[in-house]
Amino acid sequence: SHVLTQPPSVSVAPGQTARITCGGDNIRSKSVHWYQQKPGQAPVLVVYDDRDRPSGIPERFSGSHSGNTATLTISRVEAGDEADYSCQVWDSSSDHPVFGEGTKLTVL
Amino acid sequence: QVQLQESGPRLLKPSQTLSLHCTVSGDSISRGYFYWSWIRQAPGKGLEWIGYIQYSGTTQSNRSLESRLTMSIDMSKNQMSLRLTSMSVADTAVYYCARGHYYMDVWAKGTTVTVTS
Repeated sequence: SHVLTQPPSVSVAPGQTARITCGGDNIRSKSVHWYQQKPGQAPVLVVYDDRDRPSGIPERFSGSHSGNTATLTISRVEAGDEADYSCQVWDSSSDHPVFGEGTKLTVL
Repeated sequence: QVQLQESGPRLLKPSQTLSLHCTVSGDSISRGYFYWSWIRQAPGKGLEWIGYIQYSGTTQSNRSLESRLTMSIDMSKNQMSLRLTSMSVADTAVYYCARGHYYMDVWAKGTTVTVTS
């Protein structure tokens, strides 16, 4: 089963760019999906298939994937972006999703 | 607009059985393309996949839970259900149902389930 590694925390000032990474062995061939979870709320899908955004997600949220590391980039960070962000891939060997442990984004 | 709503008891004693229902509105649970998932999140922890089900009855369960887990779909109610037996304190978590399995694009608000003696 895949293990996805995320930094526990990332801090950024308002208006700056936040980058949250997700690494794992052999994820180079897998699509990575990202979820935003604000305190006391359900997760919200913000990026799927490495770089696609669901309807309603601001363009400030973008995804990229190079080798065994995927990155969620949040441009022009706002106070309302403060949340936990989790990455997820599909483990095709056992047919189930695998989640990272999450990264807490703090807006200074 | 697709919405998922969970229902079920929120306070259990050890060894009891958890039964949760997830009612779907704005979409048909029997639409063949979609699978429907259960995910949970223990306090202060990350998301943990529990299992998924399709209207055809196809299911897949987390190996650590599969001996205690049953999932089902009731198409007449547009609803899916989870049954987890022999609950323990370690099963205390927020339980979510969601649409999808490859990735989950619609989530319910979540139900906090507490197991305590």
